[in-house]
Amino acid sequence: DIVMTQSPDSLAVSLGERATINCKSSQGVLYSSNNKNYLAWYQQKPGQPPKLLIYWTSTRESGVPDRFSGSGSGTDFTLTISSLQAEDVAVYYCQQYYNTPPTFGQGTRVEIK
Amino acid sequence: EVQLVESGGGLVQPGGSLRLSCAASEFTFSSYDMSWVRQAPGKGLEWVSYIRDSGTTIYYADSVKGRFTISRDNAKNSLFLQMNTLRVEDTAVYFCARVGARGNWYFDLWGRGTLVTVSS
Repeated sequence: DIVMTQSPDSLAVSLGERATINCKSSQGVLYSSNNKNYLAWYQQKPGQPPKLLIYWTSTRESGVPDRFSGSGSGTDFTLTISSLQAEDVAVYYCQQYYNTPPTFGQGTRVEIK
Repeated sequence: EVQLVESGGGLVQPGGSLRLSCAASEFTFSSYDMSWVRQAPGKGLEWVSYIRDSGTTIYYADSVKGRFTISRDNAKNSLFLQMNTLRVEDTAVYFCARVGARGNWYFDLWGRGTLVTVSS
């Protein structure tokens, strides 16, 4: 199975500042035939189910604010929140869907400083 | 409203069984692959099982293989998870999740989940 490791486990960021979450996969998730990285990001607020934010590494799901962006390739990926808002307090998960089983990172908790 | 609603969770003793259901609404259920994903209390997300739109292809996590059975009824817009020989470590919130377009295994719609507690 592909192991997904996120860093940091938690971070506190001031309102309006940038938050950066890293995700590393134990093997590459780039499919050479279509040049796509099979990597998604989710946001989970307390008491709620996860919500898809980004797929194909950098494609925002419909309705997701453009302050959320994803980048990376191969084994190293980043989710960036360009200007943290109060409603962004949540746990964020990366997930690879390159092969079966799909696997998630352990999560990164984002709080307000 | 496009949504998934799970039901069937509860308290069960080790070795017991439960059947979870997921009702889909306001989208063409029969056109989507589906999965179950679980989350133990205070823990991260773990994929459990997958079923293709037609029901012809099924996968399970090693942790549940041989004990859990996924199925669907496209005529009733419903997904199911039959859980047998339950263990304490199966305690979790179980989410029904829609698989992304063209069968790419990201999950673009989630239910609110149903809690399964396995305890004596």
